[in-house]
Amino acid sequence: EADIYQTPRYLVIGTGKKITLECSQTMGHDKMYWYQQDPGMELHLIHYSYGVNSTEKGDLSSESTVSRIRTEHFPLTLESARPSHTSQYLCASSRYGGSADTQYFGPGTRLTVL
Amino acid sequence: EDQVTQSPEALRLQEGESSSLNCSYTVSGLRGLFWYRQDPGKGPEFLFTLYSAGEEKEKERLKATLTKKESFLHITAPKPEDSATYLCAVSIGNEKLTFGTGTRLTIIP
Repeated sequence: EADIYQTPRYLVIGTGKKITLECSQTMGHDKMYWYQQDPGMELHLIHYSYGVNSTEKGDLSSESTVSRIRTEHFPLTLESARPSHTSQYLCASSRYGGSADTQYFGPGTRLTVL
Repeated sequence: EDQVTQSPEALRLQEGESSSLNCSYTVSGLRGLFWYRQDPGKGPEFLFTLYSAGEEKEKERLKATLTKKESFLHITAPKPEDSATYLCAVSIGNEKLTFGTGTRLTIIP
């Protein structure tokens, strides 16, 4: 059973606001990920981290930034939100090691930028 | 380019009517294939990982199989609570997953 949490679950904000989406996991996983998913579309990787102080950009270009100061915490920040950022943001984590590590997902944050 | 294609896009079944969902992939060096279930407005829930052709895994009414080109998710005697979108994803060992767009399954009572 995965223990990965995201807050807030839903967020409606105005254009130009700075926002931070929180993600935390209690499984001690080294690797963490952020995905973006639009309705009816596939998940796209936007950021990932192999451990503390490690962050990389994913396959989908994103104006968001991430940080990894603690193993269990992987927040995503948008400095100035725009309507094009409206989407579902999903956080995931996996244990480091093995050839194909299973990723466990949080419940997601539905972001709407007006 | 790595690709994952799921079919059908949507499937409606009567309760108890068994069927299969397909996930075909074109990747170089498959390291693992994953099946997830996603309910509306929620994150994907892990179901199975398959690593090599010929491998099969079962969980309740679900059975996943893998060949060198595709994977099937067989659903036996489904119930309304099996209604969800089923996602397939592949890993080529760079620790990134490539997802398909999913099959939206509806089980009618």
